[in-house]
Amino acid sequence: QKEVEQDPGPLSVPEGAIVSLNCTYSNSAFQYFMWYRQYSRKGPELLMYTYSSGNKEDGRFTAQVDKSSKYISLFIRDSQPSDSATYLCAMNQNTGNQFYFGTGTSLTVIP
Amino acid sequence: DTGVSQNPRHKITKRGQNVTFRCDPISEHNRLYWYRQTLGQGPEFLTYFQNEAQLEKSRLLSDRFSAERPKGSFSTLEIQRTEQGDSAMYLCASSFSKDTQYFGPGTRLTVL
Repeated sequence: QKEVEQDPGPLSVPEGAIVSLNCTYSNSAFQYFMWYRQYSRKGPELLMYTYSSGNKEDGRFTAQVDKSSKYISLFIRDSQPSDSATYLCAMNQNTGNQFYFGTGTSLTVIP
Repeated sequence: DTGVSQNPRHKITKRGQNVTFRCDPISEHNRLYWYRQTLGQGPEFLTYFQNEAQLEKSRLLSDRFSAERPKGSFSTLEIQRTEQGDSAMYLCASSFSKDTQYFGPGTRLTVL
């Protein structure tokens, strides 16, 4: 079993839709959670990071962490064609230095 | 641009050759990571430096791979006797805390 599971999609939505991206994990020691956006043939770009359970909002993006269910989500409101990319979740634990990534979800926002 | 930089951006080599990649992290970041990413997969951890000390290496890392970070500044990743399976994007990331990291643009390696 992989440390982090993420549905690869692809996910296709119309412009303006609310997008929900999700990851599950197996290691209860994970404490830091991140979401990255990656355009084709580019390096990942940090979108949001959070430490605790609950919600964190930044503009059109909301990150949600449920440690009891080992489940994290990224919501994108009012999605735009420029949001078309692969979204990666990542996480690590307090006692280690290795970050664990999901496989990424490919998102296309159709104008 | 004060982000993480990587050179070269692309490298094409023949099987059996040695290649070396360079990463220049964000200047105040003491943590530096190397990852490998293949198509349709997330980044796979290779190794981690804190300042000049290499503190962690993936158990999947072949002994053909070696990384250095002299003086705790830039880092190099060398692959000896390249194989076709080494073809991938090699990503470098840096940070000053363990709750996040910032990636460079990557070096795309093609082994013929």
